[in-house]
Amino acid sequence: DSGVTQTPKHLITATGQRVTLRCSPRSGDLSVYWYQQSLDQGLQFLIQYYNGEERAKGNILERFSAQQFPDLHSELNLSSLELGDSALYFCASSVGGTYTDTQYFGPGTRLTVL
Amino acid sequence: AQSVTQLGSHVSVSEGALVLLRCNYSSSVPPYLFWYVQYPNQGLQLLLKYTSAATLVKGINGFEAEFKKSETSFHLTKPSAHMSDAAEYFCAVSDRGAGGTSYGKLTFGQGTILTVHP
Repeated sequence: DSGVTQTPKHLITATGQRVTLRCSPRSGDLSVYWYQQSLDQGLQFLIQYYNGEERAKGNILERFSAQQFPDLHSELNLSSLELGDSALYFCASSVGGTYTDTQYFGPGTRLTVL
Repeated sequence: AQSVTQLGSHVSVSEGALVLLRCNYSSSVPPYLFWYVQYPNQGLQLLLKYTSAATLVKGINGFEAEFKKSETSFHLTKPSAHMSDAAEYFCAVSDRGAGGTSYGKLTFGQGTILTVHP
């Protein structure tokens, strides 16, 4: 158990819908990261937050957005869902949010878009 | 831009045999390198991390990796495979960022699925 929690574990929805994925970091970690894992793209970095502020952005679609709240939990919002958005979404957390940190991963949320 | 290449999407070994999973990286600055393992239907678990303190890094479950700058490699090895090692393994490099910024984006390789035969 990494100490990072993600809810829900599974999500099944239809095209065009909007969903919210939630992540709680390890106690003491200030930075949260979101990654997408799919068969064709592999593991891809989406976005990073540090203490409530966006720090880095990766290959995140405009239909996707995220935020980190004052209690440090984070939410990833996916809207206008397409079939290709079906994937495993991981949240990770680290202490300081720098390149020297070790990132600890949650169990993931499996999103299926029908 | 940094990148990671894992040679061999599938590796199959017999129980008790040497495990060798290959990883080559591309980085313009001294890298921080990681190996993670993913068991079926689970998240990623850190095996080991290279931080430039030592070129040979020991990790959990008997795994180790050697950083070779001249070969830009960070191969993962285990002397004797166990059935419980069957999983997917990911090599990753941490991005320092540009212009004095520092963030923790990980760039992953495509993964290597390790199968262990009895």
